[in-house]
Amino acid sequence: GESVGLHLPTLSVQEGDNSIINCAYSNSASDYFIWYKQESGKGPQFIIDIRSNMDKRQGQRVTVLLNKTVKHLSLQIAATQPGDSAVYFCAESLMNRDDKIIFGKGTRLHILP
Amino acid sequence: NAGVTQTPKFQVLKTGQSMTLQCAQDMNHNSMYWYRQDPGMGLRLIYYSASEGTTDKGEVPNGYNVSRLNKREFSLRLESAAPSQTSVYFCASSRSRSGNTIYFGEGSWLTVV
Repeated sequence: GESVGLHLPTLSVQEGDNSIINCAYSNSASDYFIWYKQESGKGPQFIIDIRSNMDKRQGQRVTVLLNKTVKHLSLQIAATQPGDSAVYFCAESLMNRDDKIIFGKGTRLHILP
Repeated sequence: NAGVTQTPKFQVLKTGQSMTLQCAQDMNHNSMYWYRQDPGMGLRLIYYSASEGTTDKGEVPNGYNVSRLNKREFSLRLESAAPSQTSVYFCASSRSRSGNTIYFGEGSWLTVV
């Protein structure tokens, strides 16, 4: 079932190091942003979200940073583990329109032993 | 703790055949979605249902039909499959259509030959 994620940019990180995955979004009117993790052969899994009235939000081992000035979103994963290997993609939307969510193509995170 | 369940997981169809992808969620969500995911592209919305009894076209609806059978179930039908419909299909749901987390199923790998 591995047909998803071909030709994606890849980020290789040493186990235990921090990972930073970046995303540029397209619509300056977007006010809700989500990061998803997708493991091989599985569906996307919600990681963390952030609304446009915030610049930073922290979860368990993950932090999302939002820079509205340059329309940039980043996901920081602390102390990267083998289980973090996956494709990560961001999504943007207007809060009142879940049917208008735009998903990014994703970045593959590869963990080096 | 099933979440979003979709069947079948894998299917091979001949051009012109029809089939229905089934999806059910047990989270009492109002909104449900069908996406397709192709290599090198982000998730694209095929159809969505904001609530029981309503369905609307998404970004790529051609060649598909949907039925929101009840609050739990949302099926996707291919009436006459084409090779261009070879893809991974994801069903998803959210509490409502306003800025809520979207939960995805595990995916259905469809190949049309």
